[in-house]
Amino acid sequence: DQQVKQNSPSLSVQEGRISILNCDYTNSMFDYFLWYKKYPAEGPTFLISISSIKDKNEDGRFTVFLNKSAKHLSLHIVPSQPGDSAVYFCAASAIWLSISGSARQLTFGSGTQLTVLP
Amino acid sequence: EAGVAQSPRYKIIEKRQSVAFWCNPISGHATLYWYQQILGQGPKLLIQFQNNGVVDDSQLPKDRFSAERLKGVDSTLKIQPAKLEDSAVYLCASSLGGITYNEQFFGPGTRLTVL
Repeated sequence: DQQVKQNSPSLSVQEGRISILNCDYTNSMFDYFLWYKKYPAEGPTFLISISSIKDKNEDGRFTVFLNKSAKHLSLHIVPSQPGDSAVYFCAASAIWLSISGSARQLTFGSGTQLTVLP
Repeated sequence: EAGVAQSPRYKIIEKRQSVAFWCNPISGHATLYWYQQILGQGPKLLIQFQNNGVVDDSQLPKDRFSAERLKGVDSTLKIQPAKLEDSAVYLCASSLGGITYNEQFFGPGTRLTVL
């Protein structure tokens, strides 16, 4: 049961144009959503996040949009640069309750390989 | 600030052998996570520690995988015996912890190949 889905395994965009990466989720308990970027042979690095009480968050060239009713979020990169070529993971955060304590957990999508062509 | 450290970076073993991975989280981070990332998939949580206690190990294959976090700092993840399907990148991450949202920081990962 995939709670976070990225349906596009790959995306190619021309340098300078907009890149739009999409993500869908099913669990209503998620209250934060994140995008991570991953280069080969490196761990994922945090890119941008959004709280479930907002519908947009912007950081430089990166904007994340959240549509709660559709359980859908997207990452826009404008303008796209060759250095943006990487795998992008969508992740959703929820609180995990256990007898040992409570803490946050991330559930990841399967990733989208973005290639920005010069 | 030093990041999350992991070793080794690469490991090749034969099936049925054992292997161990080490992680040193960011100083002061209470929560430590081990993920398994199979090629073409997103990271999947194996086990989560809060200080030196286990918060969630529901997805850890306990017949062959074990993990510990002594003194609430460093952690080791062990596989014994390894199977072919264990070939993956094993990622360690840490965060300040608690239920308030805060960022997870990832180490570079250990790429395991089981032959």
